[in-house]
Amino acid sequence: GAVVSQHPSWVICKSGTSVKIECRSLDFQATTMFWYRQFPKQSLMLMATSNEGSKATYEQGVEKDKFLINHASLTLSTLTVTSAHPEDSSFYICSARDTGSETQYFGPGTRLLVL
Amino acid sequence: GNSVTQMEGPVTLSEEAFLTINCTYTATGYPSLFWYVQYPGEGLQLLLKATKADDKGSNKGFEATYRKETTSFHLEKGSVQVSDSAVYFCALSVSRRALTFGSGTRLQVQP
Repeated sequence: GAVVSQHPSWVICKSGTSVKIECRSLDFQATTMFWYRQFPKQSLMLMATSNEGSKATYEQGVEKDKFLINHASLTLSTLTVTSAHPEDSSFYICSARDTGSETQYFGPGTRLLVL
Repeated sequence: GNSVTQMEGPVTLSEEAFLTINCTYTATGYPSLFWYVQYPGEGLQLLLKATKADDKGSNKGFEATYRKETTSFHLEKGSVQVSDSAVYFCALSVSRRALTFGSGTRLQVQP
C-alpha cells in the first residue's frame, strides 16, 4: 500500500527557533501534498496545499511567512515553522495524493511542543 | 461551501455490539466520500471510500454506502472489537482537492 512518512515524529524546541518537518511519499509520486494541523481532541484543519514546483496555496488565516512550505520533488514536501512560539504547539499531519488518484494517504504526524 | 457533520461522541459499546456512526455532508459538485480512522497517538488511516452515488465502501468489517438522496455516508459494523477503539473521521473531497473533515467521533469498545 501507499506509505507516507514524516520526520521527525516529535520535536521539542525553544521559543523563537525554527523547525522543519519533512513529508515523503515512499512508494508513489505525489504532485500534490497537503498540510493539516490538529489540536487535541479536534478535527484536522487544512493549512495549505503544496504543489510540486510551484508556490503553496494557504488557507485563510494561515500566515505564509510563518509556515514556509517547499515542495521540491514529487516525493518530498517540507513545512518550516519559523520563529516558533508556544501557540504553535500542535500535531502537524501531511498527506500526499497519489498522482491520478483522488485518494490521500496520510503521514503519521509530527508532534511539536514549543517551550 | 463544503461541510461534513458527524454524530458527537464518545460512543461507548460493548464488544460484539452493532456500530453506526452517522455522517452527512453538503458539497458543491460531486464529492468522493471517505472514512478515516485515527488510533491513539497515530496519524490517519484510510478505512474506506466511495466515489459515486450508491457505491458501498467496505474494509475490515466496516462498511458505508454513498446515499446521494439523503447526503449521507453512515459507517456501520456488525460486531465491534476492543481493537476498533479509535477516532473515526468522515471526510469528503471534490475535484481532487483537499479533504474536508467532520469533527471526528471517538469510539470506545469495552470488553
